[in-house]
Amino acid sequence: NAGVMQNPRHLVRRRGQEARLRCSPMKGHSHVYWYRQLPEEGLKFMVYLQKENIIDESGMPKERFSAEFPKEGPSILRIQQVVRGDSAAYFCATAKPGQGRGTEAFFGQGTRLTVV
Amino acid sequence: AQSVAQPEDQVNVAEGNPLTVKCTYSVSGNPYLFWYVQYPNRGLQFLLKYITGDNLVKGSYGFEAEFNKSQTSFHLKKPSALVSDSALYFCAVPSGSARQLTFGSGTQLTVLP
Repeated sequence: NAGVMQNPRHLVRRRGQEARLRCSPMKGHSHVYWYRQLPEEGLKFMVYLQKENIIDESGMPKERFSAEFPKEGPSILRIQQVVRGDSAAYFCATAKPGQGRGTEAFFGQGTRLTVV
Repeated sequence: AQSVAQPEDQVNVAEGNPLTVKCTYSVSGNPYLFWYVQYPNRGLQFLLKYITGDNLVKGSYGFEAEFNKSQTSFHLKKPSALVSDSALYFCAVPSGSARQLTFGSGTQLTVLP
């Protein structure tokens, strides 16, 4: 059973370009969480999705950031018109449906975005 | 709001000595508490969790954590540290309706040979 797969592992973008980060959940997991880890900081929640639905995007910046989790395919975190401050490690975590608050989430290895 | 705090940015310990990484919590209701470890350039790996029951929780790689309700703490421990335990450790608590994790600021553990 493959773990949570994120790609690319490293992504370099020039200011103003778009960044697309992908997350393929573990088999049987239909809940996806995206987190951002800024340099020298802990992880901060961005958005929670289930298949075809955004459930909670309270941690997502209001502009330039969007996320989706289509019926088929991976979850995508999209950052438009990137700026240097977007440079960070972006992690997704996935979980099975119907689990309580005591269920651990499984993390991918992250995408390290560098904006130059 | 649910939160956790890690009061130490850095912990150094000699190989073979016991280690403790501290975490305190502030939650309403019954606490669910997690520890994760992050090795360099890797994602987070689950170590252990407290839901209910025994105050001493055993986890992966020989780690354990002690839940202390009176001190609102959930410290991570290991009886004998290994150099390979050197990593960044996070405690976390589920918060919000989406069960997303709120993480502490992290503690960098360095085990010296």
